[in-house]
Amino acid sequence: DVKVTQSSRYLVKRTGEKVFLECVQDMDHENMFWYRQDPGLGLRLIYFSYDVKMKEKGDIPEGYSVSREKKERFSLILESASTNQTSMYLCASSLSGSMGYQPQHFGDGTRLSIL
Amino acid sequence: AQKVTQAQTEISVVEKEDVTLDCVYETRDTTYYLFWYKQPPSGELVFLIRRNSFDEQNEISGRYSWNFQKSTSSFNFTITASQVVDSAVYFCALSGKAAGNKLTFGGGTRVLVKP
Repeated sequence: DVKVTQSSRYLVKRTGEKVFLECVQDMDHENMFWYRQDPGLGLRLIYFSYDVKMKEKGDIPEGYSVSREKKERFSLILESASTNQTSMYLCASSLSGSMGYQPQHFGDGTRLSIL
Repeated sequence: AQKVTQAQTEISVVEKEDVTLDCVYETRDTTYYLFWYKQPPSGELVFLIRRNSFDEQNEISGRYSWNFQKSTSSFNFTITASQVVDSAVYFCALSGKAAGNKLTFGGGTRVLVKP
C-alpha cells in the first residue's frame, strides 16, 4: 500500500512566522501535490512537482513556496504566515505518466491554525 | 476551464437506506477523467473510482455504484444499504487537458449514516 506521511496532524503558528509542512511518500512516485481544503470549496491545488527540483504553480500559489530536493519528500513553505492561511493542508502523490489519469494517494492532512 | 459542482453539502440517512450523491461537471475537453474520493473522519482521501469520458458504462462495486451520463454531464454515486462506516465526505473530481491535467474537485458532500 502507498503511504503518504505528513509530519504533523495539527499545527499552531503565529502571524508572520515562516512555516514548513513536510510530506514523505514511500512508493517512488514521481508526482507530488499540495492542496488546501476549506469547507464548501473542496480541495484547491497550491503547487505540484513532477520530478526532483521541479515545481509548478497550481491554482492558488500566492503566499506559498515548495521544495523538492529528494524524490520522496515534498515540502510546503508559508513564507510569512497569515490568518487567511488557516486551513487543512493535504499532500498527495501519484505515478508518472499523464497526471490527469493516475489516481492520487493522499496523506492524513495537517490542520494548520495561524493566530 | 473546468468546474465540478456537488450541490448537496450534507445528506443524513438511517442505516440500510440508499443514498445518491450528485456530481455535475463542466469541461470543454472531449477526453477527460472523472473520479470519486472518500474522506473518512481520519482525514485521508481514499480513491474510489476513475472513469474516462469514452466509457459510459455504469459500474458496480459491492454496495457502490456509479452512473455516468455524458448527455447531462453528470457522474452520480449511489451507496446501497448504507452502513455507519460509510459516514464520510465524498468528493467528485475532474481532470482534462484544458486545465493542464490537474484535478478539479467539487465542494464535497458530507454523508452521515445514523444507526
